[in-house]
Amino acid sequence: DSGVTQTPKHLITATGQRVTLRCSPRSGDLSVYWYQQSLDQGLQFLIQYYNGEERAKGNILERFSAQQFPDLHSELNLSSLELGDSALYFCASSEHASGELFFGEGSRLTVL
Amino acid sequence: GQSLEQPSEVTAVEGAIVQINCTYQTSGFYGLSWYQQHDGGAPTFLSYNGLDGLEETGRFSSFLSRSDSYGYLLLQELQMKDSASYFCAVRENSGAGSYQLTFGKGTKLSVIP
Repeated sequence: DSGVTQTPKHLITATGQRVTLRCSPRSGDLSVYWYQQSLDQGLQFLIQYYNGEERAKGNILERFSAQQFPDLHSELNLSSLELGDSALYFCASSEHASGELFFGEGSRLTVL
Repeated sequence: GQSLEQPSEVTAVEGAIVQINCTYQTSGFYGLSWYQQHDGGAPTFLSYNGLDGLEETGRFSSFLSRSDSYGYLLLQELQMKDSASYFCAVRENSGAGSYQLTFGKGTKLSVIP
């Protein structure tokens, strides 16, 4: 158990819909990262937050947005969903100066 | 932008040694990490190289050469449970003490009896 909690674990929805994925980082970790992993693909970096502020942005679509709240949990919002958005979405947290990321178990999104 | 190259698949025999190479091109390089991911599971941290040289952790070792933009993960005394995907990841400074981790596409290691 990494200490990072993601909900929901599985989500099935239809094209055009909107979903919210939630992440609670490890106790004490200020930095949260979101990654997308499609079938047989690597981990695509989406976005990073540190203590409530956006710190780095990767290949995140305009239909996607995220935020980190004062209690440090983070949410990833995916809207106008397309079939290609079906993937495993991982949240990870770290101490800001550490190279080690602790990953949650992921949220598997299926868009039908 | 960043790019990382690693082999897509490697097969090795139980008890043997396998080396997974990783080359990278990036600006703001800070270090190289390795992660393991079993099918359906979450990536877990294996090792980190911030300086040139070899880091050893049990059966796993990792090497970095900054001048060659190259690193590798060495797995010794392979066990069946080592069958997994292995990702190299470049750690880059994303400002104000924060670090961004960019992952390669991963190497799927199959350990056979």
